[in-house]
Amino acid sequence: GESVGLHLPTLSVQEGDNSIINCAYSNSASDYFIWYKQESGKGPQFIIDIRSNMDKRQGQRVTVLLNKTVKHLSLQIAATQPGDSAVYFCAENSPSEKLVFGQGTRLTINP
Amino acid sequence: EADIYQTPRYLVIGTGKKITLECSQTMGHDKMYWYQQDPGMELHLIHYSYGVNSTEKGDLSSESTVSRIRTEHFPLTLESARPSHTSQYLCASSEWRGLGNQPQHFGDGTRLSIL
Repeated sequence: GESVGLHLPTLSVQEGDNSIINCAYSNSASDYFIWYKQESGKGPQFIIDIRSNMDKRQGQRVTVLLNKTVKHLSLQIAATQPGDSAVYFCAENSPSEKLVFGQGTRLTINP
Repeated sequence: EADIYQTPRYLVIGTGKKITLECSQTMGHDKMYWYQQDPGMELHLIHYSYGVNSTEKGDLSSESTVSRIRTEHFPLTLESARPSHTSQYLCASSEWRGLGNQPQHFGDGTRLSIL
């Protein structure tokens, strides 16, 4: 079946360092990927997306990389700040037109 | 910024009660979704809709039902709540464009506890 997974359930980084959150997906036919940030008590918040015809996309302090060869997606956050503390989910838009979410990585920022 | 609202935010209620969780969006999005999420875990799709009078079951079996009588409103109903229904319920919506997929925008959820 379709599934998306993340490599690490938790990640701790020092404030000011760059964070890299990884995600592996299983369906090579998936054509659209999204990263979400979820803070405690809130719904997932859209961060950035990428379509399968691209391998990199940049936003404000965030970059998403897509490697279709190994079915790997990553989110890079530059100069991590305390406000970046949250659970991060990758999601894959499968050929069935449904969004499949990974298990999430909890990012903790150390002062 | 997406405008999607869920009420109530929190609900604690006894077994056997009928519950309706409300979800409204003001963006005119055709597509709407309901997800179930246990704390810190991944989201599981339980219902979705492509537009008015369209409802489909998601990947996770659920005893809930939904309706879509108006574009902006997508309520979820549990006819008889049970403790196994305790979870967080998230509503989302997205545009349907001919150019391809668009991101889903989420409400802040309803945290449901069944005693």
